Amino acid sequence: AQSVTQPDIHITVSEGASLELRCNYSYGATPYLFWYVQSPGQGLQLLLKYFSGDTLVQGIKGFEAEFKRSQSSFNLRKPSVHWSDAAEYFCAVGAVRSGANNLFFGTGTRLTVIP
Amino acid sequence: GAVVSQHPSWVICKSGTSVKIECRSLDFQATTMFWYRQFPKQSLMLMATSNEGSKATYEQGVEKDKFLINHASLTLSTLTVTSAHPEDSSFYICSARDRMTGQETQYFGPGTRLLVL
Repeated sequence: AQSVTQPDIHITVSEGASLELRCNYSYGATPYLFWYVQSPGQGLQLLLKYFSGDTLVQGIKGFEAEFKRSQSSFNLRKPSVHWSDAAEYFCAVGAVRSGANNLFFGTGTRLTVIP
Repeated sequence: GAVVSQHPSWVICKSGTSVKIECRSLDFQATTMFWYRQFPKQSLMLMATSNEGSKATYEQGVEKDKFLINHASLTLSTLTVTSAHPEDSSFYICSARDRMTGQETQYFGPGTRLLVL
């Protein structure tokens, strides 16, 4: 069965500091991997995705993520965090079922940015 | 591009009434739409997968008679919460997959907050 683990419930970083949000997954085949960001009371915005090819993917807002098959991980990184990055971040695995595709989400990591 | 809207953004209703939530893909056609439910400070839980012109596929534990889903066109799916009760209060989010890209990317709506009194 598919599952996604985000071990950090809450992370606090200083503005300008680097950031890494962890994501580990369990899936029986090559996964489709996503990172989404959710601001309070809002829907989800796609930051980046991995389907195949280069394991280091670039996303919007200066984010990047690296797919490491050996570690079943897809960690999200940003070299310098901005105050506007404060939000909830969700990692998701794409699965194929009955011809459709659905997502399994991690429990999310809440990012707080301090001045 | 790839914008998904939801209406209403929030709704308050009395217990026992029905509430309809619309999900629209504004600039693309979506053969598949998904409905999620999110409880406070928790992750999204997939409720059902909606395919245009066919019956929705519900996840285990989701009552299909309570959460009616209709995907009448390539740009519109609706979720109707029938005979709503306070425990149905939640944040409902839809997403849509662009049929033209052929990739498994879902674009999410802004969500609908439902409060049942």
